[in-house]
Amino acid sequence: GAVVSQHPSWVICKSGTSVKIECRSLDFQATTMFWYRQFPKQSLMLMATSNEGSKATYEQGVEKDKFLINHASLTLSTLTVTSAHPEDSSFYICSAPLAGGQNEQFFGPGTRLTVL
Amino acid sequence: QKEVEQNSGPLSVPEGAIASLNCTYSDRGSQSFFWYRQYSGKSPELIMSIYSNGDKEDGRFTAQLNKASQYVSLLIRDSQPSDSATYLCAVTPSGTYKYIFGTGTRLKVLA
Repeated sequence: GAVVSQHPSWVICKSGTSVKIECRSLDFQATTMFWYRQFPKQSLMLMATSNEGSKATYEQGVEKDKFLINHASLTLSTLTVTSAHPEDSSFYICSAPLAGGQNEQFFGPGTRLTVL
Repeated sequence: QKEVEQNSGPLSVPEGAIASLNCTYSDRGSQSFFWYRQYSGKSPELIMSIYSNGDKEDGRFTAQLNKASQYVSLLIRDSQPSDSATYLCAVTPSGTYKYIFGTGTRLKVLA
């Protein structure tokens, strides 16, 4: 399968600071990437769709000014959590579908964010 | 509201038995169906994809799709303790390539 990486794997920050998470497709190009959030004992919730060269599309209820997404190249999408608060503490996971495939999404290893 | 439902479990089976996991979905026009395995603290890993009615086998795993009844299932034969994880069903509804995930079923395989 295709390989997707994320960095960092975990981060602890103070309330009010911003945190950037990177998602890379290592062996394929991804014009689209997805960002999910997962709280403990819950399923994955789609936050936004990242589109290379254009604006991200956000799911209902997700604040686009708080969760900034940039997809500047065919292999890199970034998610910046601005002015993070303790309620933003979660497991953030990105995924990318393989072009020409049948919509299978390959997931990065995830980033655990803890906001103090 | 397009939904995907799974029994949260835990589903406990003895080692060597068959584990049967089920998933129902609300959008009749859904086209693509996926099963992912997620270990605690890790991200989901793709196990199977299925797109047409019937069975699809891959090793110890068999996915079954019945679009008329709007359900998809996953059978795990010869279950091993290492199969203990949460199994997520994902569906792409009609007109979109985005996933809707079920809540997941926690499987425990008892040695």
